[in-house]
Amino acid sequence: DAGITQSPRHKVTETGTPVTLRCHQTENHRYMYWYRQDPGHGLRLIHYSYGVKDTDKGEVSDGYSVSRSKTEDFLLTLESATSSQTSVYFCAISRGVGHSYEQYFGPGTRLTVT
Amino acid sequence: QKEVEQNSGPLSVPEGAIASLNCTYSDRVSQSFFWYRQYSGKSPELIMSIYSNGDKEDGRFTAQLNKASQYVSLLIRDSQPSDSATYLCAGPSNQAGTALIFGKGTTLSVSS
Repeated sequence: DAGITQSPRHKVTETGTPVTLRCHQTENHRYMYWYRQDPGHGLRLIHYSYGVKDTDKGEVSDGYSVSRSKTEDFLLTLESATSSQTSVYFCAISRGVGHSYEQYFGPGTRLTVT
Repeated sequence: QKEVEQNSGPLSVPEGAIASLNCTYSDRVSQSFFWYRQYSGKSPELIMSIYSNGDKEDGRFTAQLNKASQYVSLLIRDSQPSDSATYLCAGPSNQAGTALIFGKGTTLSVSS
């Protein structure tokens, strides 16, 4: 998985609780991304980062926040989880050199909000 | 809002046949496209990148890009049961290409 780990791999939580997912890379890539994948919707970008403390919103950012205090770590936080945030969450990384923005994905986190 | 469209399938082909997967996109400016393969319960895996008009071949896979028609395709020659998966097409969602937008994927089933 291109030196990317995600934790936890599975989580069940209750509505209204905060949840933080972690993505860790050993590739020293500049760009990091958080996606969610749902049946019928495909992969949708939540937020991405183009450097330490530099982040931008994606297509479905409402209800999510991110932080990147180190090159290797990108955190996704659900401040108050809702059932609509039940999904599989993927982290991805990209070297971002020249015109090559190929993205490589981590193993995913399956989150269930009850 | 840029869009990437794929036929959801399923696309069924017999072992040894050529599988043809297609993707259209809404933006004439987009320069680079990517094909990912995703097995059930697994993460997407990059299998092809294409940055210019024409064909790009890698083993049994050929990606084709036609910018004028806003069309990208992936051909899989000598299809194997192990090719059975969902194939995702992706293109840039911003001018710089630093973020991608994905199609919803085409499910391919190769029967032995």
